[in-house]
Amino acid sequence: KAGVTQTPRYLIKTRGQQVTLSCSPISGHRSVSWYQQTPGQGLQFLFEYFSETQRNKGNFPGRFSGRQFSNSRSEMNVSTLELGDSALYLCASSLELGKGNEAFFGQGTRLTVV
Amino acid sequence: GNSVTQMEGPVTLSEEAFLTINCTYTATGYPSLFWYVQYPGEGLQLLLKATKADDKGSNKGFEATYRKETTSFHLEKGSVQVSDSAVYFCALSANSNYQLIWGAGTKLIIKP
Repeated sequence: KAGVTQTPRYLIKTRGQQVTLSCSPISGHRSVSWYQQTPGQGLQFLFEYFSETQRNKGNFPGRFSGRQFSNSRSEMNVSTLELGDSALYLCASSLELGKGNEAFFGQGTRLTVV
Repeated sequence: GNSVTQMEGPVTLSEEAFLTINCTYTATGYPSLFWYVQYPGEGLQLLLKATKADDKGSNKGFEATYRKETTSFHLEKGSVQVSDSAVYFCALSANSNYQLIWGAGTKLIIKP
């Protein structure tokens, strides 16, 4: 069974630009959640989608958005990039988060904003 | 609200030493508890989980027991190896909350 695939692995963007990250979950998993990892703030929850519906959102500005498609693939978008958005963005796939099911993670996308 | 507290790192041990990494949580109801491990330059891998009180999760020689009375989920291993060097994260998932809540992570360094 293929794991969680995140693309691209690395990105370098300039302040003010926007970026789209992609996540393909494990086949059969309908829940996709996103997390930002930085040395200073640790792991922070961005949002969670289940069957194309956003069920929960973390405490991030509106520049961070996401969506999920009918095949459960998910994208997240960050507009008007700031230097502080430099981080490792991790996507997690689960049968259904919050029901005792574990989440499986991709390798992450390393975003550097210059 | 829900939260997870982990012991500060780094933790430095010699090979074959006994390992304990403390994790306590605050949550309403009965959350599921997880330990994840992150090796340098990689994503997070599930190490073990427990979904109800007194459950013991185990994998690769690591164990953790869900203690409702002390709201703890401490990670233990009887004899660590150099290859266990990584960052370990404790996390919880509360029913109908649809997110993982994380501890700060504990960096483990094993010296030969």
